[in-house]
Amino acid sequence: GDKVKQSPSALSLQEGTNSALRCNFSIAATTVQWFLQNPRGSLINLFYLVPGTKENGRLKSAFDSKESYSTLHIRDAQLEDSGTYFCAAEAPNTNKVVFGTGTRLQVLP
Amino acid sequence: GGIITQTPKFLIGQEGQKLTLKCQQNFNHDTMYWYRQDSGKGLRLIYYSITENDLQKGDLSEGYDASREKKSSFSLTVTSAQKNEMAVFLCASSIRDWGGEQYFGPGTRLTVL
Repeated sequence: GDKVKQSPSALSLQEGTNSALRCNFSIAATTVQWFLQNPRGSLINLFYLVPGTKENGRLKSAFDSKESYSTLHIRDAQLEDSGTYFCAAEAPNTNKVVFGTGTRLQVLP
Repeated sequence: GGIITQTPKFLIGQEGQKLTLKCQQNFNHDTMYWYRQDSGKGLRLIYYSITENDLQKGDLSEGYDASREKKSSFSLTVTSAQKNEMAVFLCASSIRDWGGEQYFGPGTRLTVL
């Protein structure tokens, strides 16, 4: 089964509203990365987390390794936030990260 | 800061053809990766390399070869292009030989006629 599950798979938001994306892991993740893939296909680094929280502007992310999940909160959504959000978990004692299948976000005017 | 460049941006091949994709990074990162992304899907690891001349298979290595010629460059070869090989290939690098934060290139979009 999927080792990294993202929810929801797709989401539409009105501009100016808030939302949360979630990543659940069935592996013992040690770190988590969040990316935004923009409509041109480029992957933009948003956060790289060990257990804890980070904040950057309107984005905030948390990683709870004991409960095996991570969240990405978007505050005051803007049109340019549209795209596909991926989380990726690094498993211990490997050089690999496992990607989730993504959450497709559309921000509506 | 640094940058990852991938060449070519678009690659059109014939079924059965051998095709090579190239990736360069100037971060001075140890580890480099090749991923494949099919339309509307997530990323799947093809090969990675933790140092020059090292190669490690990912989940999707069958049908591909890779070469880490030097620390800054990592090539991927599609050994025999198939009709269903229409995807974006993404190269990434990370600072240490045990994973770490990954940075991605812009991708090579492959179409097989």
